[in-house]
Amino acid sequence: NAGVMQNPRHLVRRRGQEARLRCSPMKGHSHVYWYRQLPEEGLKFMVYLQKENIIDESGMPKERFSAEFPKEGPSILRIQQVVRGDSAAYFCASSVAGETQYFGPGTRLLVL
Amino acid sequence: GENVEQHPSTLSVQEGDSAVIKCTYSDSASNYFPWYKQELGKGPQLIIDIRSNVGEKKDQRIAVTLNKTAKHFSLHITETQPEDSAVYFCAASFGQGGSEKLVFGKGTKLTVNP
Repeated sequence: NAGVMQNPRHLVRRRGQEARLRCSPMKGHSHVYWYRQLPEEGLKFMVYLQKENIIDESGMPKERFSAEFPKEGPSILRIQQVVRGDSAAYFCASSVAGETQYFGPGTRLLVL
Repeated sequence: GENVEQHPSTLSVQEGDSAVIKCTYSDSASNYFPWYKQELGKGPQLIIDIRSNVGEKKDQRIAVTLNKTAKHFSLHITETQPEDSAVYFCAASFGQGGSEKLVFGKGTKLTVNP
């Protein structure tokens, strides 16, 4: 039973480019969460999605960031016009409703 | 506000000793408290969790205790081994408005010396 999959594992972008991070939840999980981790810090909640619905986006920056979880396919975290401050590890977690969140290996984004 | 405080930030023990990490949370409505272990370059891995209807849970060398009145919970690792060396994060659920987000502490870097 495959765990949470994230790709790419590493992503390098120049300032002003777009970054697209993908997350495939564990089989049978319909809830997806995105968290961001800066070096030497804990994880910060960004957004919580169910299929085709954003449930809580209270942790998302108001501009340049968006997330979706379509009926078919992976969840996508999109960062437009990246800046150096966006460099971080981005983790996706999945769960069934109200249960344990299982994390993927993360995408390490570096903005040059 | 939504806040989880975690102490200590670093902890060094000798192999075979016990390690204790403590966390406090701000929202009395929180009802789920997981602990994650993160090794360098990897994602967080759940090691144990506890819900608010119990005060203690144990799984082999790992135990978690919860004091809801004090809004305090702790991780206990006994008979530590070098492979326990990692960063450990506590978290608390904040479920307002149907959300199930987790708020994390800043982590404890545990080093087990052989």
